[in-house]
Amino acid sequence: EAQLVESGGALVKPGGSLRLSCTASGFTFSSEWMNWVRQTPGKGLEWVGRIWSINDGGTAEYGAPVNGRFTISRDDSENTVTLDMNSLKIEDTAIYYCVTDLKIGAGSDFDLWGRGTLVTVSS
Amino acid sequence: DIQMTQSPSSLSASVGDRVTITCRSSQNINRNVNWYQQRPGKAPKILINTASDLEPGVPSRISGSGSGTEFTLTITSLQPEDSATYYCQQSYIVPLTFGGGTKVEIK
Repeated sequence: EAQLVESGGALVKPGGSLRLSCTASGFTFSSEWMNWVRQTPGKGLEWVGRIWSINDGGTAEYGAPVNGRFTISRDDSENTVTLDMNSLKIEDTAIYYCVTDLKIGAGSDFDLWGRGTLVTVSS
Repeated sequence: DIQMTQSPSSLSASVGDRVTITCRSSQNINRNVNWYQQRPGKAPKILINTASDLEPGVPSRISGSGSGTEFTLTITSLQPEDSATYYCQQSYIVPLTFGGGTKVEIK
């Protein structure tokens, strides 16, 4: 069964840094483009960014609110994708989901979600 | 960025009712819209891709339609397990964007 498991969520002060990890199993991780989506408490969903498969170039793309502060990387030997978050702001407080589209091709129909990990930015 | 505007933001309906949720995009996105259902404390679950293609295991009382800039999610014969928040998402171009959500409550 395909599965994504996030880890690393924590309480961090504004301006601090945090690393989230997502470990995949049950599918060919190296073939998939991996995304991070966040959800602020009681509010909606926001796409954070994604990383292409290495075979497609391994490019990382980001949403404007996190561009320049967050970095997505992947390690296909460990089936993991990582979200490095720097210069954290209070508005980065959210549940962070690791997400992918398992259908053939580099699509954005998110049919596999992790359970999420909570990041709280507060002084 | 493409804005996705959902309406209504919430609704209350009875078991057996027909429910329609609308999503409008700020520009033409062809049929590149997905719909998700999210129950409290859970991750979203995809219901429909490419505007109208039902995902495996999703009941046939749920359907999607539309193209261009206007899309709808319809639940015919609402069931208690349909109580959730529903989101549309455009998959046309990055940054990928979601609608604000529609909370469906059972009377």
